[in-house]
Amino acid sequence: AQSVSQHNHHVILSEAASLELGCNYSYGGTVNLFWYVQYPGQHLQLLLKYFSGDPLVKGIKGFEAEFIKSKFSFNLRKPSVQWSDTAEYFCAVNGKGTYKYIFGTGTRLKVLA
Amino acid sequence: GAGVSQSPRYKVAKRGQDVALRCDPISGHVSLFWYQQALGQGPEFLTYFQNEAQLDKSGLPSDRFFAERPEGSVSTLKIQRTQQEDSAVYLCASSFNGGNTEAFFGQGTRLTVV
Repeated sequence: AQSVSQHNHHVILSEAASLELGCNYSYGGTVNLFWYVQYPGQHLQLLLKYFSGDPLVKGIKGFEAEFIKSKFSFNLRKPSVQWSDTAEYFCAVNGKGTYKYIFGTGTRLKVLA
Repeated sequence: GAGVSQSPRYKVAKRGQDVALRCDPISGHVSLFWYQQALGQGPEFLTYFQNEAQLDKSGLPSDRFFAERPEGSVSTLKIQRTQQEDSAVYLCASSFNGGNTEAFFGQGTRLTVV
């Protein structure tokens, strides 16, 4: 079955701490991978995406993610979080050439000032 | 417009009432998607349009749900005889052309059925 697992449902960090949010997927075939962020009261916004090429992808606001094909993982990282990173983060996958996104259940990040 | 626009932002419906949710995609985007997001969950696929053609409606939970995009631009998701389990946020997204292009999401319509 096609699925995305985000193991951390709630994460609380202090400012300047490092962040890593886990994402594992199950999908038969080659995939595109995405991280979306939803700030309080706002719409889902794309943080970064992987289609092909360098498996280490850099996104906006200092976020990066690494695609490890052998582990079916696409973990999100940021070396030093800020209070403004408080949001909900969703990992998503779709099959190459297909349109249907499959989302994880999300991780709520709270950064303490 | 600059982004995907959805209306209304909030809708309270009495059980059994019909509702219609509107989505204005980004101009020129061929692909349009509807997703349902229940509390504490990630978005779940409902249906997909390419221009005016509804290519996939496999995610619609019942025949009470109906979506259309008659002119290949604005789309409407209609729910007939609403039930409490329909309470969720309904998200619309559009992309230039599905597949390997990024989807842009609207703010969603929060539907509460009482």
